[in-house]
Amino acid sequence: DAGVTQSPTHLIKTRGQQVTLRCSPKSGHDTVSWYQQALGQGPQFIFQYYEEEERQRGNFPDRFSGHQFPNYSSELNVNALLLGDSALYLCASSHTGTYTGELFFGEGSRLTVL
Amino acid sequence: QKEVEQNSGPLSVPEGAIASLNCTYSDRGSQSFFWYRQYSGKSPELIMSIYSNGDKEDGRFTAQLNKASQYVSLLIRDSQPSDSATYLCAVRRDGANDYKLSFGAGTTVTVRA
Repeated sequence: DAGVTQSPTHLIKTRGQQVTLRCSPKSGHDTVSWYQQALGQGPQFIFQYYEEEERQRGNFPDRFSGHQFPNYSSELNVNALLLGDSALYLCASSHTGTYTGELFFGEGSRLTVL
Repeated sequence: QKEVEQNSGPLSVPEGAIASLNCTYSDRGSQSFFWYRQYSGKSPELIMSIYSNGDKEDGRFTAQLNKASQYVSLLIRDSQPSDSATYLCAVRRDGANDYKLSFGAGTTVTVRA
């Protein structure tokens, strides 16, 4: 049973560029959440997607956007990259119908902005 | 005030000892509480969840919740070197349309052999 998969695992961008990160949820899950984890910090909620819609959003600027596809996979897009966007981006999946708060995380995409 | 605060680490304990981790939260509406373990360079994994006041035991782990004091803790008994990791406390409000988890910054535990 495949868990949550994310790609790419590492990437380096320069300020002002745009990046797209991808996530496939665990089999049987229909909900995808994205978190940003800066070095030495806990994960911060970016947004959650369910039924191809953004269901909830954290305190992140509009430069952060996302999408969910009919097969439940998801993308996170970040425009106009800033140095402060350097972080580990974690995708977490869950099943809305049985959700108790347990999230299954992927291994993350580590973004470095130079 | 941060939503979730954890005792600053790192916490170093000898093998076989008890590691005690503390977490406080600011939102009295929080209803669900979780401890995630994160090994260096890896993603968080859930090790305990607790929803009602009192203690919950799972193997060597015991979670304790006191909603009146807005406090949740994790005890690791008979600590092993494999327990060396960062432990993240997370809370969820459980309100309608509120699905996010709020995480603390984590406490890093090192178990000395």
